Amino acid sequence: GAVVSQHPSRVICKSGTSVKIECRSLDFQATTMFWYRQFPKQSLMLMATSNEGSKATYEQGVEKDKFLINHASLTLSTLTVTSAHPEDSSFYICSARKRQETGGYLQPQHFGDGTRLSIL
Amino acid sequence: AQTVTQSQPEMSVQEAETVTLSCTYDTSESDYYLFWYKQPPSRQMILVIRQEAYKQQNATENRFSVNFQKAAKSFSLKISDSQLGDAAMYFCAYRTPDFNSGNTPLVFGKGTRLSVIA
Repeated sequence: GAVVSQHPSRVICKSGTSVKIECRSLDFQATTMFWYRQFPKQSLMLMATSNEGSKATYEQGVEKDKFLINHASLTLSTLTVTSAHPEDSSFYICSARKRQETGGYLQPQHFGDGTRLSIL
Repeated sequence: AQTVTQSQPEMSVQEAETVTLSCTYDTSESDYYLFWYKQPPSRQMILVIRQEAYKQQNATENRFSVNFQKAAKSFSLKISDSQLGDAAMYFCAYRTPDFNSGNTPLVFGKGTRLSVIA
C-alpha cells in the first residue's frame, strides 16, 4: 500500500486562487520531505526540501513567497501555491524516506501519486 | 553540483527483445547511490533498481539489470525480454548518503521514453 499519501490528486481553479497540496507519510516519520514539479514530458525538478519544524530550503529560481511550504509535523508537509496563475499549472509530486542508517539498509524513496494543478 | 544525463530522449524495442538505456552522471563524491525509476502514464514513480556505489557487483532485479561503471560514471539499464507493460518514461537518479535526517534529495535525469512494439 501507499506509504506517502498526496491530496488532492487533481485541482482545477481560477487564476488568483491559492491552492494547498498535502503530503502525508502514512507509516513512518519523515523529518524531511521533498517537493518536485514536473512539466509534461519533462523530468522531476526539485523545488524545495521541507524540514519538520524549520523553514524549507528552496532551490534556486523557486519563489518561496509563491510556493509556501509548511512541515508542522513529522507526518505532514503542505505546499501552498499562492495567487496561482496559468504558468503555475503543472504536476506536483512529494516524496519522503526514512533516515538512512550508516551501513544499514538503503531506505527507499516513497513518492506520492502527484497533484495535477490546472489554473484557468 | 551533481548532474545526471540521459542522452536518449526516446527508445523503442520489440516485445521479447532486449534494450539498454544509458545514463551518465557527474559527481566528485566517492560514496553515492544510483537508481532507475519507471513512470508509466499514471505518473506514479516506481523504483526499478538501485545500486550502491561501493558495491562492485551490478544490481539485478528479474529482467532488469544495470551496468555500473564507476570510473566512467556510467549507469545503464538493461531490460531483457521486454514486455508491453515496460513502456514508460525511465528516469535515472542519483543521491549522496544522508548525514542527518534523510535530507539528501534525488537528482533526476531528463528521462527516456521507452516504447515497446508488439
